[in-house]
Amino acid sequence: DSGVTQTPKHLITATGQRVTLRCSPRSGDLSVYWYQQSLDQGLQFLIQYYNGEERAKGNILERFSAQQFPDLHSELNLSSLELGDSALYFCASSPEYQETQYFGPGTRLLVL
Amino acid sequence: AQTVTQSQPEMSVQEAETVTLSCTYDTSESDYYLFWYKQPPSRQMILVIRQEAYKQQNATENRFSVNFQKAAKSFSLKISDSQLGDAAMYFCAYWAGTASKLTFGTGTRLQVTL
Repeated sequence: DSGVTQTPKHLITATGQRVTLRCSPRSGDLSVYWYQQSLDQGLQFLIQYYNGEERAKGNILERFSAQQFPDLHSELNLSSLELGDSALYFCASSPEYQETQYFGPGTRLLVL
Repeated sequence: AQTVTQSQPEMSVQEAETVTLSCTYDTSESDYYLFWYKQPPSRQMILVIRQEAYKQQNATENRFSVNFQKAAKSFSLKISDSQLGDAAMYFCAYWAGTASKLTFGTGTRLQVTL
């Protein structure tokens, strides 16, 4: 158990819908990262937040957005969902200025 | 841009034997970190081992060790005394402070046979 929690574990929804994935980092970790793992794209970095502020952005679609709240939990919002958004979404966290990231169990999203 | 290459899509090892998974990377940075993550069928990403580029000594964690060749930009993972529970996808990953994200290779699926 890495100490990073993600909810829900599974999500099934329809095209065009909007979903929110939630992540709670390890106690004391200020950074939260979101990654997408799909069959054709592998593990891709989406976005990083540090202590409530966006720190780095990767291959995140405009239909996706994220935020980190004062209690340091983070949410990833996916809207206008397409079939290709079906993937495993990971959240990871790390302490301040640390390179080692600890991953949550992931949320499996299936868009039908 | 940094890239990580794992050229072995699949590997197989017999229980109790030793196996080495390969990873090469490309970077212009001098200070960076390299990682091996394990992803078992549960899909959880588990940190196996990490290596700081400025350290010449190869990292070791129990049955897992790395062979880090900085000049060759090579970072292989050796698993000794393989166990059935080692069967998983193994991802090599790179991190440099300038990017803050992890860059992953495409993974190597390891089978452990009796």
